Amino acid sequence: RKEVEQDPGPFNVPEGATVAFNCTYSNSASQSFFWYRQDCRKEPKLLMSVYSSGNEDGRFTAQLNRASQYISLLIRDSKLSDSATYLCVVNIGMNTGFQKLVFGTGTRLLVSP
Amino acid sequence: AAGVIQSPRHLIKEKRETATLKCYPIPRHDTVYWYQQGPGQDPQFLISFYEKMQSDKGSIPDRFSAQQFSDYHSELNMSSLELGDSALYFCASSSARQRNEKLFFGSGTQLSVL
Repeated sequence: RKEVEQDPGPFNVPEGATVAFNCTYSNSASQSFFWYRQDCRKEPKLLMSVYSSGNEDGRFTAQLNRASQYISLLIRDSKLSDSATYLCVVNIGMNTGFQKLVFGTGTRLLVSP
Repeated sequence: AAGVIQSPRHLIKEKRETATLKCYPIPRHDTVYWYQQGPGQDPQFLISFYEKMQSDKGSIPDRFSAQQFSDYHSELNMSSLELGDSALYFCASSSARQRNEKLFFGSGTQLSVL
């Protein structure tokens, strides 16, 4: 079983739709959590960090549930430019300064006109 | 703003050859991480360095070695290349001195082993 699991998709949605991605992680000692976005054959780019209280950045909302070891990302009003692979990422580094990121396999999102 | 620089962008090698990938972190970042991403796969952690010392080790094969130099740049040396080493190799950097500092990735080196 992978340490970080995601539904690989693809999620095909029309422009303007709301879409949600889920992710579960197995290491209860995980320190911090992120969503990264990766376009085809490009480097992963940090989309947002995920906090227990939930955090929002424009059309994007992330939520962490430590008890259930579950992370979510909600995208509202999808744009064509949102088409990408969304990677759920967990930092299992034991020392705050050193990050050992474990990536999920990613969820592919395709937004169509 | 300066980003993580990786070179070369593309590299073609034959089986059993050697390859060296270079990574120049963001200025003032002291920690470097190497990741390998095979086709259709998620990035896999290989190794990391802090202040020129290895700080963590992941799924790096014994045929690979890496180091971080005094100017904080890092090199990944790969020997006896195999077809399965064909992948996108990402370097990332961060500052261990700054709490909750995020990782920033370079554009990657695409290695093709023929």
